[in-house]
Amino acid sequence: GAVVSQHPSWVICKSGTSVKIECRSLDFQATTMFWYRQFPKQSLMLMATSNEGSKATYEQGVEKDKFLINHASLTLSTLTVTSAHPEDSSFYICSARGPAYEQYFGPGTRLTVT
Amino acid sequence: GIQVEQSPPDLILQEGANSTLRCNFSDSVNNLQWFHQNPWGQLINLFYIPSGTKQNGRLSATTVATERYSLLYISSSQTTDSGVYFCAVGNDMRFGAGTRLTVKP
Repeated sequence: GAVVSQHPSWVICKSGTSVKIECRSLDFQATTMFWYRQFPKQSLMLMATSNEGSKATYEQGVEKDKFLINHASLTLSTLTVTSAHPEDSSFYICSARGPAYEQYFGPGTRLTVT
Repeated sequence: GIQVEQSPPDLILQEGANSTLRCNFSDSVNNLQWFHQNPWGQLINLFYIPSGTKQNGRLSATTVATERYSLLYISSSQTTDSGVYFCAVGNDMRFGAGTRLTVKP
């Protein structure tokens, strides 16, 4: 089946620094990828939709200057959390749309900002 | 945007029991998936089911697109079925709040 990887799986950073999270579709090309965040015991909230070669579409309330998304190729999308603060601590999950329109999710990245 | 409601929010079962989880959505969709989130946070694809009925072992799902709901059936539940079950709908995969299932031995 289709596999999506994320790196790193967990990261701890200091307040004010930036963190980059990579999302890769390993065995298929994904023109569209999605980024979600999930707080403990809550559902997944869509942050943005990224299309290869174009600017990401952000959900209302998501700061595009803080959460930079780049979908540089058909197999790679990155999310950079800039000037991270403790309230950015969360579980970040990416997904990629497969050729049959089904979504495949990465294993997630747990970010802790101290 | 599309509103997605799941019920029940919590469900506790004895091992071997059957259960039905429901997902209602507010608008017609051409994409609906059911997922199981394991304790480590990984989302496991269960079904891609914008319409019709599918079965995979002890799990089956039915989506009635015209009436804007989908059902996930779990038969002969096992402790390993515990976790959170989500449905997600639409082109941008909006998630419901989930059903937290606990199966007791």
